This record gives sequence, structure tokens and C-alpha cells, in this order.
Amino acid sequence: QVTLRESGPALVKPTQTLTLTCSFSGFSLSSSGMCVSWIRQPPGKALEWLALIDWDDDKYYRTSLQSRLTISKDTSKNQVVLTMTNMDPMDTATYYCARNQRITEAFDVWGQGTMVTVSS
Amino acid sequence: QSVLTQPPSASGTPGQRVTISCSGSSSNIGSTYVYWYQQLPGTAPKVLIYRNDQRPSGVPDRFSGSKSGTSASLAISGLRSEDEADYYCEAWDDRLGGPVFGGGTRLTVL
Repeated sequence: QVTLRESGPALVKPTQTLTLTCSFSGFSLSSSGMCVSWIRQPPGKALEWLALIDWDDDKYYRTSLQSRLTISKDTSKNQVVLTMTNMDPMDTATYYCARNQRITEAFDVWGQGTMVTVSS
Repeated sequence: QSVLTQPPSASGTPGQRVTISCSGSSSNIGSTYVYWYQQLPGTAPKVLIYRNDQRPSGVPDRFSGSKSGTSASLAISGLRSEDEADYYCEAWDDRLGGPVFGGGTRLTVL
């Protein structure tokens, strides 16, 4: 059974750096084609893809946020980490990690999401 | 402003058939697969349709997807109250170098 679970702070202050961890099981991120993405959803708004890392350690970022995002993986721990710098109240959202089996394929398994509020 | 355009809302009565459209461009829908997700209130999205018109196991055949040119559609037949949810389309965008989502459509079952 494939599962993903997000973890990280529920509250961050403006200008701080957010670090989120996606812990997964049931698949290996070293298997050919495997990818994990971060996707967020501000309250009452649409889904917004942020970043993707694939089995070969290739990384893709949302163009508009590229300067603030870093995605990395620890294959031995089955974890993917996203850092987002210079947090702003507009970054308040539920952050999801999700798996896809090729970079252009569907997000077939999602974590439950973690709500992050940016406020002083 | 989302790269893929969906109507913000749709509605129907139980048993009816509703369709939700998703409009894109040659750099996304026009050149790759479209995916549809269902997000029930307070839950994570779930893939409903993959590769334009394929259903994952467990998804009822009341749900169907299609694609033509730079547009795609999700059809739900035999509408049920439990179909009340937000629906999102998604595709890889070659120009942006990443996946893009539609703005979402809230389906209300009257």
C-alpha cells in the first residue's frame, strides 16, 4: 500500500523559511520514473503545483516561485523535503505531497495535507 | 488566473448527466494527457480520470473523460449526492515545464 504523509510547522512568521517533509512508504523513489511533488491549496482556492523531484534527482519548480523553493530527497529515509524561503501571509495554504510515476503522469496517491498559516 | 480554464460551478439533480469543461492550449492539453481529480470537502484530491479517458480501478463508470484538441471534458452520469465535490483538471505544460491545474469546478447536486 502506497502512503504519503506531510509534516512540518503549522504556523510560521512572515520572512521565515518553511521546511516541510513528505514521508512515504510502499514505493521507492529510486525506481525508474518515480516522482514526488508538492502541491498547495490556499483556503477556498485552487490547487497549485509547486515542485517535483524524480527518481534521477531531476528537479522542476513552479516558475513564479523558483527563487524561493528547494526540493530534495533522502532515498534511504523515504523522504522528500521542500523548503520555501521568505514566507508571506499569501503562502497560507494546505500543502500536499503526491506521487506520480512519470513526470507527465497523474498524481495517483496524495498525502492528507498539512495546513500552514503564515502570521506574525 | 489558472492556466487551464474551468467553469467555477456546475449543478444537476440526482440522476442527471453533467459535464465539466477544461480549456487549455497547445502547450498543455493540446500536446499531452489530461487528468481529472475529485476533491470531497475537507479531503485530499483523488485521481478520477487519467490519460484523458481512463478510470482507475474503483472509480465508477458513471465518470468519463474526453479530450479534443486543446479542450477536455469530464462527464458524470446518473448524478448522486455523493458526487458533490470540487473537480480539477490537470496537464503537463511544456512551455512552463511543470504540471498546471484548472481553477476547479464546484459541483452541487440539487
